[in-house]
Amino acid sequence: GAGVSQSPRYKVTKRGQDVALRCDPISGHVSLYWYRQALGQGPEFLTYFNYEAQQDKSGLPNDRFSAERPEGSISTLTIQRTEQRDSAMYRCASSRASGDSYEQYFGPGTRLTVT
Amino acid sequence: KQEVTQIPAALSVPEGENLVLNCSFTDSAIYNLQWFRQDPGKGLTSLLLIQSSQREQTSGRLNASLDKSSGRSTLYIAASQPGDSATYLCAVHSNSGYALNFGKGTSLLVTP
Repeated sequence: GAGVSQSPRYKVTKRGQDVALRCDPISGHVSLYWYRQALGQGPEFLTYFNYEAQQDKSGLPNDRFSAERPEGSISTLTIQRTEQRDSAMYRCASSRASGDSYEQYFGPGTRLTVT
Repeated sequence: KQEVTQIPAALSVPEGENLVLNCSFTDSAIYNLQWFRQDPGKGLTSLLLIQSSQREQTSGRLNASLDKSSGRSTLYIAASQPGDSATYLCAVHSNSGYALNFGKGTSLLVTP
């Protein structure tokens, strides 16, 4: 079956512009996660959705970052007024539900470069 | 906060060798632990998931063990092949939240 998909795969933007990154989870997965990965590091948690409810946004670095999942399926991570330090790989993952039994499945990521 | 450490950071072995990758974590209150493989330009591929109540999981040439009380996990790769070359990431799902806490990974190179 189809895995987690993300678009665009690559995004180059100028400092100060807004960007929107999209994640389409595996069909039927109710839990959705966003992570950010810097070069040479492991992914770091940004935010978590259970269905359409954003249940944890503790990892969002500041108020320029926001995320939504209005219908409990596709999610969008938006970065306003981008800065060079926002350059990273942004990864989305989904799981059948939250809790101890469920694996998280990751998409291919969006490589964001802010010039 | 859960801290996850992976040793070694990089490893180079000749084809056919058996090898062990190590992962340690600071808080033993976990739901599960996952091992991932990361290939350049691609996503993370889940290799093995070990529940907190389990001691080990096996998939083909891979075997992962978990010692929750000591905060350690190992990934054993038998009869390594050049196609195993990748970065291997350990991630812990703590009881205190929803996120996976990742280590920095071990970069593995298997030479023919």
